[in-house]
Amino acid sequence: KAGVTQTPRYLIKTRGQQVTLSCSPISGHRSVSWYQQTPGQGLQFLFEYFSETQRNKGNFPGRFSGRQFSNSRSEMNVSTLELGDSALYLCASSLGGTSGGGNEQFFGPGTRLTVL
Amino acid sequence: DQQVKQNSPSLSVQEGRISILNCDYTNSMFDYFLWYKKYPAEGPTFLISISSIKDKNEDGRFTVFLNKSAKHLSLHIVPSQPGDSAVYFCAASGLIVGGSRLTFGEGTQLTVNP
Repeated sequence: KAGVTQTPRYLIKTRGQQVTLSCSPISGHRSVSWYQQTPGQGLQFLFEYFSETQRNKGNFPGRFSGRQFSNSRSEMNVSTLELGDSALYLCASSLGGTSGGGNEQFFGPGTRLTVL
Repeated sequence: DQQVKQNSPSLSVQEGRISILNCDYTNSMFDYFLWYKKYPAEGPTFLISISSIKDKNEDGRFTVFLNKSAKHLSLHIVPSQPGDSAVYFCAASGLIVGGSRLTFGEGTQLTVNP
């Protein structure tokens, strides 16, 4: 079974631009979550999508948004990029239960975003 | 507010010996705990998990222990192998604490020396 894929793997943008990242979950998984990893803040939860609806949201500004399509693929968008948005953005998929048991999240390789 | 903490940023162990990685949490509403391993430039890889109704779960060389009263969990790797060298994250989730959302610790860099 193919794992979680993310595109692109690397991105370089300048301040003020916007960016869209893409995630394809494991076949059969209906939940996609996004996380940001930075050296200072560690792994931080951004949001989760399930059946094309945002089900859960972390403490990030509205510049961070996402969506999910009917095939469970998800995109994440960051508008008006800031230097502090430089990070590894990770996508994780799961079956979609609302609690942990049997609902382990499997991560993609991430997209490394650099904002200059 | 760091709800999941891994107080040891690094751990060095000899090949063949036991590696013990520790994790503490503050929110008693967490009911599911997971360990992930991460190599540089890759996403975290799921290792093992444990529900709060258990105190031990074993999978091959990996065993996770949960002490609910102390709000502490640990991952034991026996025997340790050089390929185990990576950053290990513990994570927690809870039905009424964000549902499937994972809260991660800061990670522990494990180095297994040949």
